Amino acid sequence: DQQVKQNSPSLSVQEGRISILNCDYTNSMFDYFLWYKKYPAEGPTFLISISSIKDKNEDGRFTVFLNKSAKHLSLHIVPSQPGDSAVYFCAASDTGNQFYFGTGTSLTVIP
Amino acid sequence: DTGVSQNPRHKITKRGQNVTFRCDPISEHNRLYWYRQTLGQGPEFLTYFQNEAQLEKSRLLSDRFSAERPKGSFSTLEIQRTEQGDSAMYLCASSQGAGGLYGYTFGSGTRLTVV
Repeated sequence: DQQVKQNSPSLSVQEGRISILNCDYTNSMFDYFLWYKKYPAEGPTFLISISSIKDKNEDGRFTVFLNKSAKHLSLHIVPSQPGDSAVYFCAASDTGNQFYFGTGTSLTVIP
Repeated sequence: DTGVSQNPRHKITKRGQNVTFRCDPISEHNRLYWYRQTLGQGPEFLTYFQNEAQLEKSRLLSDRFSAERPKGSFSTLEIQRTEQGDSAMYLCASSQGAGGLYGYTFGSGTRLTVV
């Protein structure tokens, strides 16, 4: 039972353009939404988060949007850089302890 | 502080053998989590500790799996009578308090291959 879904396994964008990564969830009780970035042979690294009481959170080039009615969140990266090439996981939780992860989207930023 | 440390990085074992992994969290973090990641999937929660107390266990954690965190410092995850389906990356993470909006700090994982 996949409570968090990332339907795009991969995404390629040109350097300097916007990258948009999407995530859908099923549990309306989720209050915490996180994005992690993962390079090969490393563990996931926390990137940005948003709580259910907000619809947008911005940190530098990264912005996360939350649409609770659609149970959808997205991560925008602008401008995209080659160093952003990695696998991105979205994760959600109701308690802030156990997080449910999506299957990841592999982003390639083409120089 | 060097972050979350996991040992070994790789483990190959024969089916039916027991294996044990170790995780050293960030020293000031009181919560420690174990996740498992199989190919093409995201990390799946297994269990977590607050200090030395194991507070939650996933239904994924069969009775062949046991985790401990003696004295609230490092943790071990043991798998008895390994099966080929246990082949996965085992990730440890830690946080000070609930991860919440700050997330966890993950280690680099232990990759288990059961042959």
